Amino acid sequence: QSALTQPASVSGSPGQSITISCTGTSGDVVSSYLISWYQQHPGEVPKLLIYEGTKRPSGVSNRFSGSKSGNTASLTISGLQAEDEGDYFCCAYAGTGSVVFGGGTKLTVL
Amino acid sequence: QVQLVESGGGLVKPGGSLRLSCAASGFMFSDYYMSWIRQAPGKGLEWVSFISSGGDTIYYADSMKGRFTISRDNAGNSLFLQLNSLRAEDTAIYYCARDSGAFDVWGQGTMVTVSS
Repeated sequence: QSALTQPASVSGSPGQSITISCTGTSGDVVSSYLISWYQQHPGEVPKLLIYEGTKRPSGVSNRFSGSKSGNTASLTISGLQAEDEGDYFCCAYAGTGSVVFGGGTKLTVL
Repeated sequence: QVQLVESGGGLVKPGGSLRLSCAASGFMFSDYYMSWIRQAPGKGLEWVSFISSGGDTIYYADSMKGRFTISRDNAGNSLFLQLNSLRAEDTAIYYCARDSGAFDVWGQGTMVTVSS
């Protein structure tokens, strides 16, 4: 089973941009699978931020953007706001019963 | 509005069973794939199981195969997860989610606690 590695934590000041990486540990899991990103505030339900690597669902701020390069996917948050603080998870979806989440990254807004 | 509401969680002894339900509303349930995802306390997300819109294709995470059974009732707009032979490590919030290659709608979750 492939795994996805995320940094345990990242931080930034209001107004800055930060990037969270998500690296596949084997094969081409990131380059070949559907990549999505989720935001979860403490005690709340995960929320879809990015799907198919780069697309934003309706209603998600354009401050959130996704990208992929090789076997690494990235989530960039620009114009950091206090409300962005929380946990972020990447997900690789193969569509054949292979779905794996990254371990999550805790974002702190300083 | 589009909504998923889980129920059926609770406290169960190791080796016991539970049946989780997920009631869907606000969208054409029978048109969508669905998945169960769980989150142990203080931990990350773990995909559990997938079922196709018609129920004819089913997948499970390796650690759940043979113990968990997913099913759906399209006439009743409901998704189910039968949990058998429960272990302490199955303790988690169980979420149902609408599945389109990404999980775009989530329920509020139902807590399953496995403890003697």
